[in-house]
Amino acid sequence: AQSVTQPDIHITVSEGASLELRCNYSYGATPYLFWYVQSPGQGLQLLLKYFSGDTLVQGIKGFEAEFKRSQSSFNLRKPSVHWSDAAEYFCAVGAQAAGNKLTFGGGTRVLVKP
Amino acid sequence: KAGVTQTPRYLIKTRGQQVTLSCSPISGHRSVSWYQQTPGQGLQFLFEYFSETQRNKGNFPGRFSGRQFSNSRSEMNVSTLELGDSALYLCASSPGQGAFSGELFFGEGSRLTVL
Repeated sequence: AQSVTQPDIHITVSEGASLELRCNYSYGATPYLFWYVQSPGQGLQLLLKYFSGDTLVQGIKGFEAEFKRSQSSFNLRKPSVHWSDAAEYFCAVGAQAAGNKLTFGGGTRVLVKP
Repeated sequence: KAGVTQTPRYLIKTRGQQVTLSCSPISGHRSVSWYQQTPGQGLQFLFEYFSETQRNKGNFPGRFSGRQFSNSRSEMNVSTLELGDSALYLCASSPGQGAFSGELFFGEGSRLTVL
């Protein structure tokens, strides 16, 4: 069975500082990996996805993520955080055989200090 | 292009009642998935419909059901509501003709409160 762990429930970062959100997954085969962001009162928006190929993927809003098979990780990074990045971030894993069923991590809530 | 539309946005029910939630996907999207989001359990997959057929189902009791119409609009129903059914119910549509896309476009959700 697939599982996703986001070890950090909350992260506080100063505006302009860098941000890294951790994600570890468990899946037997090559996973399809995603990061979604949820702003308060909103649905989720896809930031980026990894299916295969280059292990460093670029997404929207200046985010990037790196797939490391040896560590079963897919960490999300942003070099310089803006106040509008305050939101909850979810890592998710999927599999081709599972249709569009995604397994989500518990989320990391990011607070941005001015 | 209009996004995923969910109605109603908020509703309050009492235990034992039933509820129907509606989801209109993005035009051209044939896959519709439903997720339940709660503070305790996080985001959990309910089911997915593709071309009017249920393609996947999560680990929820039979009180949770859904369907998809020929225009790809979907409804989910929860019967005999329990307090623990209070949650944000998110609908997501997905493009592509194949079995897997993984790129989900979410609506803003229907927030159900069960008293």
